[in-house]
Amino acid sequence: EVQLVEFGGDLVKPGGSLRLSCVGSGFIFSNAWLSWVRQAPGKGLEWVVRIKSEPDGGTIDYAAPVKGRFTISRDDSKNMLYLQMNSLNTEDTAMYYCATGQVFDIWGQGTMVTVSS
Amino acid sequence: DIVMTQSPDSLAVSLGERATINCKSSQSVFHNSNHKNYLAWYQQKPGQPPNLLISWASTRESGVPDRFSGSGSGTDFTLTISSLQAEDVAVYYCQQYYSIPLTFGPGTKVDIK
Repeated sequence: EVQLVEFGGDLVKPGGSLRLSCVGSGFIFSNAWLSWVRQAPGKGLEWVVRIKSEPDGGTIDYAAPVKGRFTISRDDSKNMLYLQMNSLNTEDTAMYYCATGQVFDIWGQGTMVTVSS
Repeated sequence: DIVMTQSPDSLAVSLGERATINCKSSQSVFHNSNHKNYLAWYQQKPGQPPNLLISWASTRESGVPDRFSGSGSGTDFTLTISSLQAEDVAVYYCQQYYSIPLTFGPGTKVDIK
C-alpha cells in the first residue's frame, strides 16, 4: 500500500523549535519529489517547501513565509522526510502534510503543530 | 507569484445536477515546451487530507469517477461534476505547479441543496 505517515507535531511556544518527520512506503521513495503543505485551522492549503529527488538534483525550494526558519531534508536510506522548524510563531499553527510528486498525488494524514504561549 | 482565484466561494447543488467551479490564475500556466497546463484539482472532505482528482488541467487520476472533468487552458480553468452525488460534498481546490511558489486557490465548498 502506498502510504505517507507524518509525526512530530506538538504544542510549542512562540520562538520555539520542532522537527516533523514523514515516512513513506509502497513506492520508490528515493525517486519521489517531496513537499510539506500546511493548512491552518479552518483555512485553505499553503505549500511550504519542496525537495526534489537526488536523481533530479535534490533542489530545495521554500515558500517566502518560512524561508530562513524552516529546513527540509530527506534520508532515502530510511524513506524519511524531515522538516526542522525554528523561530515558530502563531501563524505557523497548522496541520502539516507531507505529499509526493510534482503534483501532489499521495498525501499523509497530517500532523498538527500548535504555536501558542 | 502566481495568484489563484476561484469562484464561487461556495455552491449548493441538487443531487444529480451539475456543479461547476471556476479557477483563474494571475498568469498563464501553459508551458509551450510540452503544450501542457500545469494545473491540478483536489478534493478535500472534512477531517481528511486533500485527494488529487485531476492533473494537467484535464487528466483524471486513476480511480476518480468520470463525473469529474477538468477543462480550460492558459489562465482560465473549470472543474465540472456532471451529476452531483452525496459523497461529493467537499471543498475543492485548484493549484498551479508551473512555477515556485506552488500556489493553491482559496477553495470552493460544494454542498447539497
